[in-house]
Amino acid sequence: DTGVSQNPRHKITKRGQNVTFRCDPISEHNRLYWYRQTLGQGPEFLTYFQNEAQLEKSRLLSDRFSAERPKGSFSTLEIQRTEQGDSAMYLCASSLGLSGGPTDTQYFGPGTRLTVL
Amino acid sequence: DQQVKQNSPSLSVQEGRISILNCDYTNSMFDYFLWYKKYPAEGPTFLISISSIKDKNEDGRFTVFLNKSAKHLSLHIVPSQPGDSAVYFCAASARNSGYALNFGKGTSLLVTP
Repeated sequence: DTGVSQNPRHKITKRGQNVTFRCDPISEHNRLYWYRQTLGQGPEFLTYFQNEAQLEKSRLLSDRFSAERPKGSFSTLEIQRTEQGDSAMYLCASSLGLSGGPTDTQYFGPGTRLTVL
Repeated sequence: DQQVKQNSPSLSVQEGRISILNCDYTNSMFDYFLWYKKYPAEGPTFLISISSIKDKNEDGRFTVFLNKSAKHLSLHIVPSQPGDSAVYFCAASARNSGYALNFGKGTSLLVTP
């Protein structure tokens, strides 16, 4: 078990471009979460999946943000028409999700650092 | 609106002494509280948690205390070790939001030899 992996680890893009990040959860983890962390702040929840179903997306930052988990395994987070304010660390976490309760520990990946020029 | 607050951005403690990290929250719907530890260039790592039905949980050198009436929790590390130097995030979750984590801004702990 190699833990949660995220690719790429770093992404530099120009304003207006689209970017996509990938997250591979721990195998057999049913829940997958996306968070964003800006400088000096704690991680901020964006969305989460139970298997392939996206159960919460109201906290995605704008309609430029979208996430998918088509087969209930890996997930992608896409940002369209990037803005300088999107520069941040994007973190993915996964959990077993069997009970969906509070003791379902979330394990985080190393994150993808996005820089929008 | 910051629902979880860590008012001390940094803390410095001597090796062997106690480290106390504090956290306050505003949302009374929170029923589960966690502490995560983060090293540079890594994602947060789960450290310890506590349910709202308890007031204390202990795991080795780490103890978390919860005061529901004051909406306050704290993490005690005894004895502190240089390897404990990291950023510590307090997080809280609620059933009505799928237990998504709400994080504080973090406290940077430095344990000096």
